[in-house]
Amino acid sequence: QQQVKQSPQSLIVQKGGISIINCAYENTAFDYFPWYQQFPGKGPALLIAIRPDVSEKKEGRFTISFNKSAKQFSLHIMDSQPGDSATYFCAALDTNAGKSTFGDGTTLTVKP
Amino acid sequence: EAGVTQFPSHSVIEKGQTVTLRCDPISGHDNLYWYRRVMGKEIKFLLHFVKESKQDESGMPNNRFLAERTGGTYSTLKVQPAELEDSGVYFCASSRTEYSGANVLTFGAGSRLTVL
Repeated sequence: QQQVKQSPQSLIVQKGGISIINCAYENTAFDYFPWYQQFPGKGPALLIAIRPDVSEKKEGRFTISFNKSAKQFSLHIMDSQPGDSATYFCAALDTNAGKSTFGDGTTLTVKP
Repeated sequence: EAGVTQFPSHSVIEKGQTVTLRCDPISGHDNLYWYRRVMGKEIKFLLHFVKESKQDESGMPNNRFLAERTGGTYSTLKVQPAELEDSGVYFCASSRTEYSGANVLTFGAGSRLTVL
C-alpha cells in the first residue's frame, strides 16, 4: 500500500502558466512534508517544505498548500518557466522515525 | 562543501552476477540513507544508517542485498546475486541530525543498475 499518492504523473504547461501537483497521504504520524525537484542526471534536491501547523508556505514562485483534515498537500508553481521543467517528488516524513516516504513523481514540461 | 557522491553512475550486469554500489556522504553527516526508484515509480526507502549503525533496514527487499557503512563514513550496497527485478536507480542521501527531526536529505546523482 503506497503511503503517499501523487498526481498527475506528467504535466505540460505553457510558459507563464500555473503548475499544480497534488499529493495525498494516509499516515497521520507524518509531520513534515518536503518537495524535491530533480533534473535529468541529478539527484532530487529539496525545493520547499511545510509542517502541518500551517496551511500555506510560499518561497518565490513556489507555494505549498496544506490541508491537514483532508490529508492532502499540493505544490503550485506560479509563472512557470522552461527552466522549471523537471521531475517533482512530494514526500512525507515522520520525524520520530526519521525516514522519508516519497510519491511516484510528476514530470513537468513547461513549453516556451 | 562537496556533495553526495555515488559510484558507479551506471552498471550493466547479467542476472546472477554481483554488483557493489558505493556512496560517499557529505562530511559530518551522521545519517546515510539508501533509496531505490524502479521504472518511474516512487523513490522507495531501503535503509538508514546513523554513523556506522543500521537504524532501520525495513525496506531492504531480501537477503540478496547487503549494506555496510565503514567507520561511519562511506557506505556500500551489494547485490548478490542480482535478479532482473533489481534494475533501477539507487539513490544515496545523507543528512545531519536536526533537533527538530526534520532531516533535510541531500541526494547523490544515483547509480543506475541494469540487470540483463
